[in-house]
Amino acid sequence: QQQVKQSPQSLIVQKGGISIINCAYENTAFDYFPWYQQFPGKGPALLIAIRPDVSEKKEGRFTISFNKSAKQFSLHIMDSQPGDSATYFCAAGTYKYIFGTGTRLKVLA
Amino acid sequence: DTAVSQTPKYLVTQMGNDKSIKCEQNLGHDTMYWYKQDSKKFLKIMFSYNNKELIINETVPNRFSPKSPDKAHLNLHINSLELGDSAVYFCASSPDSGSGYEQYFGPGTRLTVT
Repeated sequence: QQQVKQSPQSLIVQKGGISIINCAYENTAFDYFPWYQQFPGKGPALLIAIRPDVSEKKEGRFTISFNKSAKQFSLHIMDSQPGDSATYFCAAGTYKYIFGTGTRLKVLA
Repeated sequence: DTAVSQTPKYLVTQMGNDKSIKCEQNLGHDTMYWYKQDSKKFLKIMFSYNNKELIINETVPNRFSPKSPDKAHLNLHINSLELGDSAVYFCASSPDSGSGYEQYFGPGTRLTVT
């Protein structure tokens, strides 16, 4: 009940394309779902987060879609740019966050 | 004016040694964390302190001992280091320990045990 499954493991997208990363969780008690972005040699940084009472949240080019009944949520990066190339982690939890296994995104110029 | 800082950034040591990693945050946060990121980038929480009180203690070998002298500092001491301890260790902080608080991560300490 404590796992967060993330896919794909890696993703290559052309500049201007849409990057989609998916996550699934098991514990229905989880009430906070953040996405973190990590560049090589740096610590993860919060990108965007959502609560289960909304189905979608958008911040600039980044959108979280949330499906409570399916226990799934996804990150969409619109108009992907080479500067978006990084590892992305979903997480889920309450007072403690369980992280997904990460998706290495590469955006080709 | 670094928000969450860790020292050292790199640590290379031999098996059996004891080492410490220090973490400091200047954000005024009440809660601090230690995470371990393994070679496959998997990020797993180890410990969390809220106002110097241990609130999360995951299944971690008791060779790992956190210590919080005040709410701005959280250190990690590791005894009898093993090859499997090689990883990047991240310190993080958040305003409080409840749900929905952003966790601010430090730059990480890469520990290599030979």
